[in-house]
Amino acid sequence: NAGVMQNPRHLVRRRGQEARLRCSPMKGHSHVYWYRQLPEEGLKFMVYLQKENIIDESGMPKERFSAEFPKEGPSILRIQQVVRGDSAAYFCASSPRLIDGYTFGSGTRLTVV
Amino acid sequence: DAKTTQPNSMESNEEEPVHLPCNHSTISGTDYIHWYRQLPSQGPEYVIHGLTSNVNNRMASLAIAEDRKSSTLILHRATLRDAAVYYCTQMNYGGATNKLIFGTGTLLAVQP
Repeated sequence: NAGVMQNPRHLVRRRGQEARLRCSPMKGHSHVYWYRQLPEEGLKFMVYLQKENIIDESGMPKERFSAEFPKEGPSILRIQQVVRGDSAAYFCASSPRLIDGYTFGSGTRLTVV
Repeated sequence: DAKTTQPNSMESNEEEPVHLPCNHSTISGTDYIHWYRQLPSQGPEYVIHGLTSNVNNRMASLAIAEDRKSSTLILHRATLRDAAVYYCTQMNYGGATNKLIFGTGTLLAVQP
């Protein structure tokens, strides 16, 4: 059983481009969470999704950021018109039920140049 | 958001037990206590979680105070691979969302 798969591991984008980060949860896990970790800082919650539904997006910046978890396929975190401040490690996690611990992926390290 | 407080850093010697403390004075009756750890350049790793009773698994033990306002993660024999940032978090299952809120964690150094 593969863990949470995130790709790409490293992503370089120029300012103004779009970044698309993918997350395939563990098999049987229907709850997906995205976190961001800025350099030398802690993990900040961004969004919680279940299949086809956004449950909690209280940590998402109001503009340029969006997330989806379609019925088929991975969860996608999309950042439009990236700026240097978006450079960070983005982690996805999944869990099978609300009461379970999370399994995290290895993250996508986004660098905006 | 739920707040936990932990020491910024701790040191241990290899093969000795480590007790990592956490205060969660605002915890409510339905909040679970979760512990995760993060090695450099890796994603966080689940360690253990519990509600009221002490919990044991292959990685660690979790001792929860009777009033639930504090807990201690116990690594029975530290190894060099246990050097990481350890996060204590709370999760409330009372509502529709169950997000974990991470604090700054404790950086554990293990000396050979």
